[in-house]
Amino acid sequence: GENVEQHPSTLSVQEGDSAVIKCTYSDSASNYFPWYKQELGKGPQLIIDIRSNVGEKKDQRIAVTLNKTAKHFSLHITETQPEDSAVYFCAAFRMDSSYKLIFGSGTRLLVRP
Amino acid sequence: DAGVTQSPTHLIKTRGQQVTLRCSPKSGHDTVSWYQQALGQGPQFIFQYYEEEERQRGNFPDRFSGHQFPNYSSELNVNALLLGDSALYLCASSSGQGNTIYFGEGSWLTVV
Repeated sequence: GENVEQHPSTLSVQEGDSAVIKCTYSDSASNYFPWYKQELGKGPQLIIDIRSNVGEKKDQRIAVTLNKTAKHFSLHITETQPEDSAVYFCAAFRMDSSYKLIFGSGTRLLVRP
Repeated sequence: DAGVTQSPTHLIKTRGQQVTLRCSPKSGHDTVSWYQQALGQGPQFIFQYYEEEERQRGNFPDRFSGHQFPNYSSELNVNALLLGDSALYLCASSSGQGNTIYFGEGSWLTVV
């Protein structure tokens, strides 16, 4: 069935360093890949997304890359700050034929000051 | 522009009771989905409503039901509550098929 695997489950970095979170999806028909940041006690906040017709997208310190052949996509955060500390979820979605996001299991990112 | 709003934010129910959670989608959105997020896990799709009809359902029992109103707002109802229903219930909205999906802050349900 549909599945998204996410690694690592926890990630601790020093402030200013980069953080990379990786996801692999199983449904080759998936064509939309959002990333959500979830702070304690809050709902998921969309931080960046990518569609399957592009390989990379950047928004300031955040970037996402997509390798459709390998069914991998990754989140890159540069110059990390303590306020980046949160749980990050990747998700996969079939824009034209499905109605549900399939989420990864989440990565708890800790940015040490 | 208000985002997705949910109510109540927190509630405690007793096993066997029934609960209703409410959601107002982001302005301009006509599609509402509900997700259940257990502690330490990713959200799991419950169902989606569009044009007041349930369009797709995830792997949840019939105790979970919903409704969408003409103004696109939605309710999630859970009957015969079990301890395992304790979770964060998230509402997500979007416009049409394949557009960006936004989540609300969720309703924390504790079943005792």
